[in-house]
Amino acid sequence: KQEVTQIPAALSVPEGENLVLNCSFTDSAIYNLQWFRQDPGKGLTSLLLIQSSQREQTSGRLNASLDKSSGRSTLYIAASQPGDSATYLCAAEGGKLQFGAGTQVVVTP
Amino acid sequence: GAGVSQSPSNKVTEKGKDVELRCDPISGHTALYWYRQSLGQGLEFLIYFQGNSAPDKSGLPSDRFSAERTGGSVSTLTIQRTQQEDSAVYLCASSPPPLAWAQYFGPGTRLTVL
Repeated sequence: KQEVTQIPAALSVPEGENLVLNCSFTDSAIYNLQWFRQDPGKGLTSLLLIQSSQREQTSGRLNASLDKSSGRSTLYIAASQPGDSATYLCAAEGGKLQFGAGTQVVVTP
Repeated sequence: GAGVSQSPSNKVTEKGKDVELRCDPISGHTALYWYRQSLGQGLEFLIYFQGNSAPDKSGLPSDRFSAERTGGSVSTLTIQRTQQEDSAVYLCASSPPPLAWAQYFGPGTRLTVL
């Protein structure tokens, strides 16, 4: 059974610092790996999707990498802003989306 | 266009009561998913509907949980004889054919069982 783990569970950084969020998964037989953002009281918004044949995806200040052999994905957020404060979840898809518990990020002005 | 909507946004109930949670998916999306998010936990898959196929109920935690999808659109998740451990946020998502991974999430229903 796929297990997805996210470390750290919470992270607080001052504005302007780069954020590094980690996601690990136990079964490398995945179709893709997605990163989502969740704001309080709201649903999830997909940020980036990395297909199993890819090693990274970029969108603006966000970059996500995927290393299937080691079962890891990393989300980098450059030059963080207070508006980046949210919970970030990764999900590995192998037929179904298997989610991690998320990393709660606070960016202080 | 309109996104996935869920109602109610909050529900407080007493232990032992039945509750119904509603999900309106995006028009034209054939796939619909229900997830449960407990405090500090990741999203737990509950049930998946795809078109007219039999639903994948493999994630339902007990026979107190059931879901229906009428006319391939609106879905209702029913929890009978609620227990305190059922307290969680229940999220619904829909996806367009054939992109099952491109899930669009609703805002969720926060269920509190006293």
